[in-house]
Amino acid sequence: GQSLEQPSEVTAVEGAIVQINCTYQTSGFYGLSWYQQHDGGAPTFLSYNGLDGLEETGRFSSFLSRSDSYGYLLLQELQMKDSASYFCAVRDNYGQNFVFGPGTRLSVLP
Amino acid sequence: EADIYQTPRYLVIGTGKKITLECSQTMGHDKMYWYQQDPGMELHLIHYSYGVNSTEKGDLSSESTVSRIRTEHFPLTLESARPSHTSQYLCASSEGSDEQYFGPGTRLTVT
Repeated sequence: GQSLEQPSEVTAVEGAIVQINCTYQTSGFYGLSWYQQHDGGAPTFLSYNGLDGLEETGRFSSFLSRSDSYGYLLLQELQMKDSASYFCAVRDNYGQNFVFGPGTRLSVLP
Repeated sequence: EADIYQTPRYLVIGTGKKITLECSQTMGHDKMYWYQQDPGMELHLIHYSYGVNSTEKGDLSSESTVSRIRTEHFPLTLESARPSHTSQYLCASSEGSDEQYFGPGTRLTVT
């Protein structure tokens, strides 16, 4: 089976940097993805890590360490519009099934 | 821009009714998914399809069924709705990577 853990809530101020961690236990691993979801909205894809290391996309970066079963999403130069829930997700050992983490609610304060 | 549509957006029905939630995408994606999500909670995969005439159940036990007769269409049917089915249902599609495109969702309330 699969299980993912994330902090439930994170609070930061505008302009700051925040890191959202994700640890996973899987019987197989095909990569770690990150999604953003605003209240009342649908999830939108942010990034994917299939190999160890850092992937950078603008203000957002994502990191993966397969040996530690750990990844994180790094958000820089926080803006109010970044207030949302962030989910990590993995594919299962057959590469077919997606499992999402419980989500981290990020609140950005002025 | 992703083009994936769900109807209805909101639905309130009585217990025991049969309902079908529609999902269509115009991107030609082979992979499509249905998720269930309660407010503030994680997404649970209930069904997925990797192409026409291919459907599989996800991790979450569900009393729903799906069909995939056409690439662009992936409807979800509840034969007999119950209050425990009250939730948001999200449809998604992908081309082959881990990037999934989500529809706007259907908020279902069963009274």
